[in-house]
Amino acid sequence: GEDVEQSLFLSVREGDSSVINCTYTDSSSTYLYWYKQEPGAGLQLLTYIFSNMDMKQDQRLTVLLNKKDKHLSLRIADTQTGDSAIYFCATSAGYSTLTFGKGTMLLVSP
Amino acid sequence: DTAVSQTPKYLVTQMGNDKSIKCEQNLGHDTMYWYKQDSKKFLKIMFSYNNKELIINETVPNRFSPKSPDKAHLNLHINSLELGDSAVYFCASSTNRESGEKLFFGSGTQLSVL
Repeated sequence: GEDVEQSLFLSVREGDSSVINCTYTDSSSTYLYWYKQEPGAGLQLLTYIFSNMDMKQDQRLTVLLNKKDKHLSLRIADTQTGDSAIYFCATSAGYSTLTFGKGTMLLVSP
Repeated sequence: DTAVSQTPKYLVTQMGNDKSIKCEQNLGHDTMYWYKQDSKKFLKIMFSYNNKELIINETVPNRFSPKSPDKAHLNLHINSLELGDSAVYFCASSTNRESGEKLFFGSGTQLSVL
């Protein structure tokens, strides 16, 4: 089955850029997502990218997709303390159920 | 207006008890899900319903029984609770259209089995 891997932890200083990386195994993945989970809350869809795109930018968020290497990244510019959360990468192939990574905990220090 | 709401938010109970978690979505979505998040934050899908019909049933003990009275509701009943059932349970919904499966999550039910 599909496997989605992420590093477990990232620590940055406020104002720096954060880059969270994800690799996946299923080359038929059509949509790739980033979800954010704040403490005590459910997951919230941050952004997603279709597999025929290389990049998507949405305000402070930039998603890069390297389909050849099956690598997805999320860059957060000017990281704020409010960005501290767990970030989940997820993939799906059309109608299939999402496969989630194990999440990357982002800690932003002042 | 809460899009996906689940109750209760916290549930503390003894081993062997039976409990239910309720979920409702007001987004008009056709598909609803139950996910389990363990202490390491790993998310695992348990069930998926589409228009009140079960479409995904992962390897989950049969002590867990989902029930969907209509497409806006998906409840989870757990019989004979065990210590290992302690986790956060998330309900979610999606349109399940060809444009991808964007999930909307509830805020979770933290289940503690003592």
